[in-house]
Amino acid sequence: GAVVSQHPSWVICKSGTSVKIECRSLDFQATTMFWYRQFPKQSLMLMATSNEGSKATYEQGVEKDKFLINHASLTLSTLTVTSAHPEDSSFYICSALPSLHGETQYFGPGTRLLVL
Amino acid sequence: GQQVMQIPQYQHVQEGEDFTTYCNSSTTLSNIQWYKQRPGGHPVFLIQLVKSGEVKKQKRLTFQFGEAKKNSSLHITATQTTDVGTYFCAANTYSGAGSYQLTFGKGTKLSVIP
Repeated sequence: GAVVSQHPSWVICKSGTSVKIECRSLDFQATTMFWYRQFPKQSLMLMATSNEGSKATYEQGVEKDKFLINHASLTLSTLTVTSAHPEDSSFYICSALPSLHGETQYFGPGTRLLVL
Repeated sequence: GQQVMQIPQYQHVQEGEDFTTYCNSSTTLSNIQWYKQRPGGHPVFLIQLVKSGEVKKQKRLTFQFGEAKKNSSLHITATQTTDVGTYFCAANTYSGAGSYQLTFGKGTKLSVIP
């Protein structure tokens, strides 16, 4: 149980295009999902907290207009990187917090984004 | 915000030697989690420590939570090449409205020389 999927697993795009990443909790409902970014040889940095049915909460320094988050259902959150640039190339990882007894986050496998 | 310091950043050991990574916080933690990330992979949850002074074991891995709940350690006995990866601690803090938030340490990258 407690499986989280991400799609796509990797994506290469041209500078200026937008990329959508999906995060799904497969066997549980998640009122809250988190989006992290990990640059090479660095730790995971929380970008934003996504709450079902409400606006996401962004961490300091993360542009909400550039990283659009939509948490439309209890099992799906999406992160759209708008007008991507090479510096946005990174490993994007989501996690989901079960709605019931939610204290432990379950991580997705991550999405590697390369912007050319 | 919550900050978690983790040392060392890198550790190279001969296969069979022991390995320890340490995590420290300036504030008392409600609980702490440990993750392992293999090269090219995503973080995989290892364990959560909640109680003051708690010690948990998973085969060759021993996890400790300090009495003051401000520090934690992960010790691996007799390392194997399969232990290679980066080990992260993460402080789990209540962020309100029934939600918890993780703050990750910088991680310790373990290399095991066969």
